[in-house]
Amino acid sequence: DTEVTQTPKHLVMGMTNKKSLKCEQHMGHRAMYWYKQKAKKPPELMFVYSYEKLSINESVPSRFSPECPNSSLLNLHLHALQPEDSALYLCASSQDRRPQFYGYTFGSGTRLTVV
Amino acid sequence: AQKITQTQPGMFVQEKEAVTLDCTYDTSDQSYGLFWYKQPSSGEMIFLIYQGSYDEQNATEGRYSLNFQKARKSANLVISASQLGDSAMYFCAMREHRIIQGAQKLVFGQGTRLTINP
Repeated sequence: DTEVTQTPKHLVMGMTNKKSLKCEQHMGHRAMYWYKQKAKKPPELMFVYSYEKLSINESVPSRFSPECPNSSLLNLHLHALQPEDSALYLCASSQDRRPQFYGYTFGSGTRLTVV
Repeated sequence: AQKITQTQPGMFVQEKEAVTLDCTYDTSDQSYGLFWYKQPSSGEMIFLIYQGSYDEQNATEGRYSLNFQKARKSANLVISASQLGDSAMYFCAMREHRIIQGAQKLVFGQGTRLTINP
């Protein structure tokens, strides 16, 4: 079982809907990430939180709104998405020390379809 | 900017054979880290192996080994005795310079789809 839990696993939403993706980890990692992955493409970084503060926003449209309520939880709020936003959304966390053992730990992802 | 190149879009290998997945990288940093991840059709990114730029020995993890040639800037993944369950997408990734304490930005290659035939 992955130690980063993402919910829901699948989500279908309309372009006028508001939904949220949730990511949770209990490994004590202080950095958390959102990646977007289109089919047959590598993951692309969207946001990075370090110690619950947003440290990187890779010029993501404002219809994606991240939130880090505490060190274990990361949310991605979605509003007025477009069909081209359909993708696999991966959450990950990392620990500062000993990257050779930890690196990134990824969740299983949320497959999002915008209709 | 750092860049990862995987030149093999797809590979087909017979079960029990060894397979090498190619990865070359470009960076001006002296300190960096290289990762390999496996992504089955379920979508989860599974960490396989890590090589630090200052590590003198090639990393090994069970059936996985990393052929690290620093001068050539290559970090090829070798899977010994391949199994049907090894069929998946494989990504090579590099850790960029530290952005902020605790955060590591990873840059991914385009990936190689490996298919193991029985």
